[in-house]
Amino acid sequence: SQTIHQWPATLVQPVGSPLSLECTVEGTSNPNLYWYRQAAGRGLQLLFYSVGIGQISSEVPQNLSASRPQDRQFILSSKKLLLSDSGFYLCAYTTSGLDTGELFFGEGSRLTVL
Amino acid sequence: GQNIDQPTEMTATEGAIVQINCTYQTSGFNGLFWYQQHAGEAPTFLSYNVLDGLEEKGRFSSFLSRSKGYSYLLLKELQMKDSASYLCAVSDSNYQLIWGAGTKLIIKP
Repeated sequence: SQTIHQWPATLVQPVGSPLSLECTVEGTSNPNLYWYRQAAGRGLQLLFYSVGIGQISSEVPQNLSASRPQDRQFILSSKKLLLSDSGFYLCAYTTSGLDTGELFFGEGSRLTVL
Repeated sequence: GQNIDQPTEMTATEGAIVQINCTYQTSGFNGLFWYQQHAGEAPTFLSYNVLDGLEEKGRFSSFLSRSKGYSYLLLKELQMKDSASYLCAVSDSNYQLIWGAGTKLIIKP
């Protein structure tokens, strides 16, 4: 069966510190992978998506970056966090494209930047 | 610009029926999704509509009118576990999902 996991679940980081969130998908190959951020009272904001190893598309210019070192691994990073980076981060995947299939989400990572 | 509108919050009674509306204005349309999200958890898929009409799935139904840019999610026989946020999302001409802010549904006994 297909599963998706992301970690850590929660973290509190000081401003200016680095960030690394990891996401792994199991049970499928060559998934489309996504990083979203969800702020309170707002819709999900797409940050990055990837259709293959090393292929990253950025939707919003910001303090974050993403990498896909392996087919089923997606990493969200920052060198220096800002207060505005606080939020609920969600990794997700599809296997057949958004035009036909549903989006499967990881458990989420709640980041608080102080 | 692209926009998805849905009510911020709704309240309903256990055992009753509730309808959550969603209106959209997007550049192109390749389907509309409804997701359920319990507090502190990730969204889970409920339904997908690409053609006009009603799709029924157990206690949940979703309706779409493309000409009106309108959809609704109908929840019947409400249970306390249905208390959650319901997210409407539209796939645009580039197959990118545009998300609404979500409707928080509160179920009272």
